[in-house]
Amino acid sequence: AQSVTQPDIHITVSEGASLELRCNYSYGATPYLFWYVQSPGQGLQLLLKYFSGDTLVQGIKGFEAEFKRSQSSFNLRKPSVHWSDAAEYFCAVGAGSGGSNYKLTFGKGTLLTVNP
Amino acid sequence: DTAVSQTPKYLVTQMGNDKSIKCEQNLGHDTMYWYKQDSKKFLKIMFSYNNKELIINETVPNRFSPKSPDKAHLNLHINSLELGDSAVYFCASSQVRGPTGELFFGEGSRLTVL
Repeated sequence: AQSVTQPDIHITVSEGASLELRCNYSYGATPYLFWYVQSPGQGLQLLLKYFSGDTLVQGIKGFEAEFKRSQSSFNLRKPSVHWSDAAEYFCAVGAGSGGSNYKLTFGKGTLLTVNP
Repeated sequence: DTAVSQTPKYLVTQMGNDKSIKCEQNLGHDTMYWYKQDSKKFLKIMFSYNNKELIINETVPNRFSPKSPDKAHLNLHINSLELGDSAVYFCASSQVRGPTGELFFGEGSRLTVL
């Protein structure tokens, strides 16, 4: 079964600083990888996704992520953080076929705090 | 116009009661989901329906019964509520049933069982 690990429960950065959120996955075949963001009191919104091809993917709000098969990682990055980026970030892996065994499994999330 | 809407947003009830949460999506998607987010923010899939057919049932206690009257609606009924049922329940939908389908989430329904 697939699993996702987000090693950092809580990260604090200053506004304008760069950001990297870590994600490691476990899955036997090629995974489908996602990053979602959850603002307080809101549902989750997709930031970006990786299925195949270029291992560096661009998403919304200036985020990008890099898939590294050798490290089983899919880390999320942003060169300059804005105060509005403060939120909970979830990495997820989708696995299985299009049939009944397909599931999206989420990591436990990383809470991002942005200091002014 | 909200894409995935859930009602109610907040629900406070006593142990042993029965309650329902409703979900509607206006995106024309075929697949809908219920996820449970516990107090530590961990998200776990509970159920998935594709065009009114149950396709995922993740070993959820049978006190939880989803119902999909049509592909735009997926409701969750919970019998005999327990303290451990307190959580935020998210409804989601996707256009594609398989791995490439982006999930669109509702804003969640916070259930508190006293």
